[in-house]
Amino acid sequence: GAGVSQSPSNKVTEKGKDVELRCDPISGHTALYWYRQSLGQGLEFLIYFQGNSAPDKSGLPSDRFSAERTGGSVSTLTIQRTQQEDSAVYLCASSLAGRAETQYFGPGTRLLVL
Amino acid sequence: GIQVEQSPPDLILQEGANSTLRCNFSDSVNNLQWFHQNPWGQLINLFYIPSGTKQNGRLSATTVATERYSLLYISSSQTTDSGVYFCAVELYSGGGADGLTFGKGTHLIIQP
Repeated sequence: GAGVSQSPSNKVTEKGKDVELRCDPISGHTALYWYRQSLGQGLEFLIYFQGNSAPDKSGLPSDRFSAERTGGSVSTLTIQRTQQEDSAVYLCASSLAGRAETQYFGPGTRLLVL
Repeated sequence: GIQVEQSPPDLILQEGANSTLRCNFSDSVNNLQWFHQNPWGQLINLFYIPSGTKQNGRLSATTVATERYSLLYISSSQTTDSGVYFCAVELYSGGGADGLTFGKGTHLIIQP
């Protein structure tokens, strides 16, 4: 079956612009995760959704970051007023029901803020 | 938060050699996964192994949860095994975030 898909694959934007990243989880997976991979910070967890709700948003780097999930499926990660330090690969993962299960990762969105 | 340490950070081997990658973690976990990140950046699942031993072809993994470490074995290495291998864990108690905490990875280069 289809894996986790993300769009766009690459995004180049100017500092100060808003960007929206999209994630389509594996069909039937109720848990969805966002991570970020950057040279300086490695792979870091951002936020987790169980269904449409995110119990803990404390992993988001700043209040410029927000995420939502609708219909228990597609999720969007929005970064407002982008900064150069936001440049990274943003990865999405999904798992069948949440805790203590295999997480499957998408190919990522490579974001470059000029 | 939980600490995940991987060793060695870099490893260069000849094709056909065997290797052992180690992952130490600082707290009880209910999820431990090994990933291979290919040159295109895709994280490929190798094992879900919070405890016990598993094998898949030339790869095998062992996690000793009581001693808080996991080992990934690669036998008869091939050039396509090159890349970065990550260990990632999820806290047993769950804490606040429920996400995976990743180690810094082992960069493996297999030379022909």
